[in-house]
Amino acid sequence: QVQLVESGGGLVKPGGSLRLSCAASRFTFSDHYMSWIRQAPGKGLEWVSYISSSAESMYYRDSVKGRFTISRDNAKNSLYLQMNSLRAEDTAVYYCASSPITEPGTFTYWGQGILVTVSS
Amino acid sequence: DAVMTQSPLSLPVTLGQPASISCRSSQSLVYSDGNTYLNWFQQRPGQSPRRLIYEVSNRDSGVPDRFSGSGSGTYFTLKISRVEAEDVGVYYCMQGTHWPWTFGQGTKVEIK
Repeated sequence: QVQLVESGGGLVKPGGSLRLSCAASRFTFSDHYMSWIRQAPGKGLEWVSYISSSAESMYYRDSVKGRFTISRDNAKNSLYLQMNSLRAEDTAVYYCASSPITEPGTFTYWGQGILVTVSS
Repeated sequence: DAVMTQSPLSLPVTLGQPASISCRSSQSLVYSDGNTYLNWFQQRPGQSPRRLIYEVSNRDSGVPDRFSGSGSGTYFTLKISRVEAEDVGVYYCMQGTHWPWTFGQGTKVEIK
């Protein structure tokens, strides 16, 4: 069974930085594209960023462009999200999600999520 | 952006009765390859989301057959033929055709 485990969350002050990681196991990581999705407390789901299987394509939602950077290390089966210039509105549970390249346009598997709190 | 609008936002249902959630997109979700990347996710209380349906009507492995998806173009529906207690949660439609990928607001299903 696919396993995705997020780490790196926590409390950070506005303007600060945080790096989220997602450790993937029990599947061929390089055959999956990856995404980050977030959920503010009591709110709905919001896609944040996408990276293709070999990292040739990355996409971001407008509100995080220029502040967040998605990356992956296929040798380490890991996905990352570098978050800079954090704002209060970035407070959310962040989920990593994976999908095989044979399944475009979706989030097939999800991690358990990690909480990021931006507050002074 | 493709705006996804779900209705209703709250759905009280009697156990054993059917339930239906609609999802409307502001743009056609037919991709250039001819496929329609419309998904449905379930989020039970305190849990991560779980995919139920992909490409409009394909049910994921392990998803009970009381769940079904239908629709085309800009209008889609998730149906639960007979609601069970374990179906309580929030249901989201999501499109993966246009960047940015977008979710509906969510529909909260609860037992009357």
